[in-house]
Amino acid sequence: GESVGLHLPTLSVQEGDNSIINCAYSNSASDYFIWYKQESGKGPQFIIDIRSNMDKRQGQRVTVLLNKTVKHLSLQIAATQPGDSAVYFCAEGFGAGSYQLTFGKGTKLSVIP
Amino acid sequence: DTGVSQNPRHKITKRGQNVTFRCDPISEHNRLYWYRQTLGQGPEFLTYFQNEAQLEKSRLLSDRFSAERPKGSFSTLEIQRTEQGDSAMYLCASSPAPETQYFGPGTRLLVL
Repeated sequence: GESVGLHLPTLSVQEGDNSIINCAYSNSASDYFIWYKQESGKGPQFIIDIRSNMDKRQGQRVTVLLNKTVKHLSLQIAATQPGDSAVYFCAEGFGAGSYQLTFGKGTKLSVIP
Repeated sequence: DTGVSQNPRHKITKRGQNVTFRCDPISEHNRLYWYRQTLGQGPEFLTYFQNEAQLEKSRLLSDRFSAERPKGSFSTLEIQRTEQGDSAMYLCASSPAPETQYFGPGTRLLVL
């Protein structure tokens, strides 16, 4: 099928290594941030979220860091596995009305076995 | 499996034809969103429903596009007089609360 990751920045990591995917967001009023994983031909899959009153949140094998001063978000994946290969998007929302999400451009993660 | 379903998964149509997509959200989610995604880009917001009320529409949603959620459950997105520029993946998401949105698999539209 068509590749979601066409012409996206690519991060290649060795299986078992840690991955760090970075994202710059645009709206200083955003108070909610989400990381999604998207495999080719599928819809975005929720990974982890964080509110603006936090600077770090951990899940299973994933950690999100938020730096509001420089409007930067990162996703850390521990012990990267081949199944982690996908395109990763950060998204921002703010607490007015719909909470519509604004997505970043995405990063393609390739895990080398 | 997020529980959001979309039909059809793929649609090929000729320019000028009308198409309609359906989204079935996770049951009891009162918020429903439509997004559009083109190759190499992140999804872009189109419109939002809370229950049956369409509360927000993006300027991307031209007058050829219409969305409904008549009973506050499933939703349809119709595109009239399709153009080649409408070719994209159309994504539906639902949410029980203002934040976390769960996406369906999408409907990929190709306009010839």
